[in-house]
Parts: sequence; C-alpha cells; structure tokens
Amino acid sequence: GAGVSQSPSNKVTEKGKDVELRCDPISGHTALYWYRQSLGQGLEFLIYFQGNSAPDKSGLPSDRFSAERTGGSVSTLTIQRTQQEDSAVYLCASSARGNQPQHFGDGTRLSIL
Amino acid sequence: QKEVEQDPGPLSVPEGAIVSLNCTYSNSAFQYFMWYRQYSRKGPELLMYTYSSGNKEDGRFTAQVDKSSKYISLFIRDSQPSDSATYLCAMSGGTGFQKLVFGTGTRLLVSP
Repeated sequence: GAGVSQSPSNKVTEKGKDVELRCDPISGHTALYWYRQSLGQGLEFLIYFQGNSAPDKSGLPSDRFSAERTGGSVSTLTIQRTQQEDSAVYLCASSARGNQPQHFGDGTRLSIL
Repeated sequence: QKEVEQDPGPLSVPEGAIVSLNCTYSNSAFQYFMWYRQYSRKGPELLMYTYSSGNKEDGRFTAQVDKSSKYISLFIRDSQPSDSATYLCAMSGGTGFQKLVFGTGTRLLVSP
C-alpha cells in the first residue's frame, strides 16, 4: 500500500496479558517511529528506528515495553503484562530519512480490561 | 508545564470564516514546526511544516512561526465543513524531524 499500515486496528485484552502491535512503514522509508496517544493527551514519543543504527528508546515508559524492527522494514511493539493505564491509541510513523517529515498510520486502539 | 501548549477547544466557526489555531512552546531549541490534521479514528495527516521563523502558504492554509515569542499559528481561509477535525502542532530540534513534541490538539468545528 501507499501509506503506513498498522494491525490490528483494534485490540481488546485482559490485564496481565502480552500484546503485539505491528507496523508496516511506507516502502523505502528508513526511519520508523512509535507514539502513544491517550485521551486528552498529545502524542507521546516512544521509540525511533533509523536504518541499522541502535534505536532511540528514550520514550519507552517502562521495561514492559519493547520494540524491534526486522530487516529494516516491519516493526513490532510489544507490551508485556499489560496494565489498564496502557489503554491508548498506538501510532506508527515513517519517514524517508530521519530529517524528513513523518507520515502516520491510523493506529491500533488498545483497550485493557 | 508542558513543552508545547495548545488550547483544546472546541473552536466553532461558520463556513467561510477565517480560522486561527495557535501553539506556544518553551524550548528554544525547536527549529522545525509542523501542523497535522487528525480526523476521528484516523492517524495524523501532515498539513504543513516550516523551518525556523517565517511564513509558509499552501492553498487555503498559512503557517506562521515567531521564534522570538515562541508562538506558532495556522490560518485557514474560507473554512469548509470538511475542515472539521483536530489540529495538532508538533515541533522538533535542529537535527531534523525526529522525536516530535506534540501539542494536545485543538478541535475545530465548521458549521454549514
């Protein structure tokens, strides 16, 4: 597809379960970002991948959060032992390079019961 | 205090009005300034971006940056009902567009 693709679009799970969220960036984009958008809050930066460089994990809120990017393309954000405060929309963005504007997917709406 | 402040609205205007959306910020290191539009249950869509101070125009949209006042604006001329959305300002430091810092967004409602 032409844009950033995220799956699933919605996820409902029980507290304590692990979840995996997937992001397919725009083809050829070397930079990939994850953000979290909570109700009434702005987008909160989580993690940034640029090419083969070590990711910038400075925004991850706890060690329950991790992300990987395989083959410089698809990325997976994993949340272990989910808590109710993890409920939010998780947005992925990509850019042609780190110094180019970011383009967003439609997000995964995560609800923790 | 947040690095980027934005009035959440809602801002209600009649069709055809000129809309002014604004953000203030505290970090003088910000050099790149962006405006995104977000429709309900969709991801943010990049509208415009500027580097440093000045104005930029694209169709009905004009972005202004005043770094001396740490204040940025987005003007929408001849507003349309289809402009009804949440508008997010975002900014980043001198290394480029990484690690954007967002405002909370202003909800705009344009009535026919």
